[in-house]
Amino acid sequence: AQSVAQPEDQVNVAEGNPLTVKCTYSVSGNPYLFWYVQYPNRGLQFLLKYITGDNLVKGSYGFEAEFNKSQTSFHLKKPSALVSDSALYFCAVRDWGGGFKTIFGAGTRLFVKA
Amino acid sequence: GAGVSQSPRYKVAKRGQDVALRCDPISGHVSLFWYQQALGQGPEFLTYFQNEAQLDKSGLPSDRFFAERPEGSVSTLKIQRTQQEDSAVYLCASSPEDRGNQPQHFGDGTRLSIL
Repeated sequence: AQSVAQPEDQVNVAEGNPLTVKCTYSVSGNPYLFWYVQYPNRGLQFLLKYITGDNLVKGSYGFEAEFNKSQTSFHLKKPSALVSDSALYFCAVRDWGGGFKTIFGAGTRLFVKA
Repeated sequence: GAGVSQSPRYKVAKRGQDVALRCDPISGHVSLFWYQQALGQGPEFLTYFQNEAQLDKSGLPSDRFFAERPEGSVSTLKIQRTQQEDSAVYLCASSPEDRGNQPQHFGDGTRLSIL
């Protein structure tokens, strides 16, 4: 069965510092991995995805994520946080092997302090 | 270029009433998903359409939940005899093709409150 874990409910970081939001996953086959961001009272917005190829993927708003197959992780990173990055972040996985279900983590709230 | 549109944005109903939630996906998008998002949680998959065909409804919590997409565009999620545990935000998402590597485009959701 597919699953996604985001071990931190909240991440606090000072503006200008690097940030990391952690995600680990479990699938029976090869994964498609995604990061989405959600602002209050809004739907989710796509940030980036890993399908295949380079383990480091770059996405919107300066975010990037590193796929680590041995650790089954897909951590979201940004070199320099902005106050406007404060939001709720979701990691999601879909199994290559078929099926249409995308599994989302419980979310991590990022708080960037000025 | 309109995004995914959901209506109503807010719905309050009394326990036992039926409700219908509408989703207008991005024009031409083949895939359409419905999710339920409880407070403080991630979205939980409910059902998936490829054009008008409902290919996966494994996430629907009970037979009170029903979804349709009769012409392969607009979709409606119907909940019959609502219960308090149905209170949640219902999100609709669409993507251009039925390939698992496509990101999903989400609407802003319908917040359903059952009194």
